Amino acid sequence: NFMLTQPHSVSESPGKTVTISCTRNSGSIASNYVQWYQQRPGSAPTTVIQEDNQRPSGVPDRFSGSIDSSSNSASLSISGLKTEDEADYYCQSYDSSNHRVFGGGTKLTVL
Amino acid sequence: DVQLVESGGGLIQPGGSLRLSCAASGLTVSTNYMSWVRQAPGKGLEWVSVLYSGGSTYYADAVKGRFTISRDNSKNTLYLQMNSLRAEDSAVYYCARERRLKYFFENWGQGTLVTVSS
Repeated sequence: NFMLTQPHSVSESPGKTVTISCTRNSGSIASNYVQWYQQRPGSAPTTVIQEDNQRPSGVPDRFSGSIDSSSNSASLSISGLKTEDEADYYCQSYDSSNHRVFGGGTKLTVL
Repeated sequence: DVQLVESGGGLIQPGGSLRLSCAASGLTVSTNYMSWVRQAPGKGLEWVSVLYSGGSTYYADAVKGRFTISRDNSKNTLYLQMNSLRAEDSAVYYCARERRLKYFFENWGQGTLVTVSS
């Protein structure tokens, strides 16, 4: 099994761009797709990025995902920040034992 | 539209048992990969278990041997039988449908709260 590590919190101003990292501690980040979920308080998560860099329909193109094999990490970038983007964000992947793995989550504050 | 509605949560004493249900509409539980994901109060998401369309089941180490995932095809409902409950099992439990063969969560229920306390 592996772990996914995210920063506990990030903050940025409206209109700016923020990037949230998700680092895999063993095995290659490119071995299995990474997804990103947004969770607002009191609500269930929703997918903002699937399969490393694909946006589900309805997700604005301000959201983008990427992976970097050199740092063994995935990233979620949100450009043109809006106050409505303030939420918790989780990365997720899976391992060879059919286990799903979540990162610890990052609280995004838009101030 | 896909709808997943969890039920069965509540307050239970340590060592007790509880069965959660997830009633599905807009999808067929038996032909999908269905998971349970939990979230302790103020904490992050934690995957609990998955049931594949072919019947295979997998569990997180924290619940293996205590929890059982199953489905009733006639009721189009997913279940999670939870035995030997511990305080650390207290969480909101979400039912989720996975994108087939892609291992990510495409649809989520609103969750049901389980509190394990004496």
